[in-house]
Amino acid sequence: DVKVTQSSRYLVKRTGEKVFLECVQDMDHENMFWYRQDPGLGLRLIYFSYDVKMKEKGDIPEGYSVSREKKERFSLILESASTNQTSMYLCASSFWADTDTQYFGPGTRLTVL
Amino acid sequence: SQQGEEDPQALSIQEGENATMNCSYKTSINNLQWYRQNSGRGLVHLILIRSNEREKHSGRLRVTLDTSKKSSSLLITASRAADTASYFCATDASNYGQNFVFGPGTRLSVLP
Repeated sequence: DVKVTQSSRYLVKRTGEKVFLECVQDMDHENMFWYRQDPGLGLRLIYFSYDVKMKEKGDIPEGYSVSREKKERFSLILESASTNQTSMYLCASSFWADTDTQYFGPGTRLTVL
Repeated sequence: SQQGEEDPQALSIQEGENATMNCSYKTSINNLQWYRQNSGRGLVHLILIRSNEREKHSGRLRVTLDTSKKSSSLLITASRAADTASYFCATDASNYGQNFVFGPGTRLSVLP
């Protein structure tokens, strides 16, 4: 079974802090994604990566950056957290030969005070 | 940009009844998928239907796609309390699956 794990289920940070959200997948997937999920808005794509050191902006990249130094790990970075970044963050991965199916991690609920 | 919109936003039914959720989108797509999310959890892929398909079945799930109306429906037959979850449609118009667009979801409650 594909396993996508995220470093924290719940996280509370203060405004202005630098925040790292980690995602690891164990199926050697090429593609990895970061979404945020907000009530009434569904999932919105922040960034994705289709290879090590490669990254592409999604629909809402402002205020975020990412890092993919190893194939299995995709990090989302909030350089200076703000209260409007309070949200559920979901990581996903997919195989290059089966991009139709994304496998999701359990999510990190981030609260910025 | 294209966007999936589920309808209704919330649905409450009795165990054993069928549940139907709808999804509409705005632009041409390569495929449409349905995902399920239990409260506070990640999303689980349920079923995919391609743009050249009209209907697909998987167990108690039936998905239809009408590209002329840019809409899809998900039918869950003989619902169970364990089906209680949020259901999302995701449309994909990209070449490499890199641009799924998710709707806001339908919250399904199946009462025992």
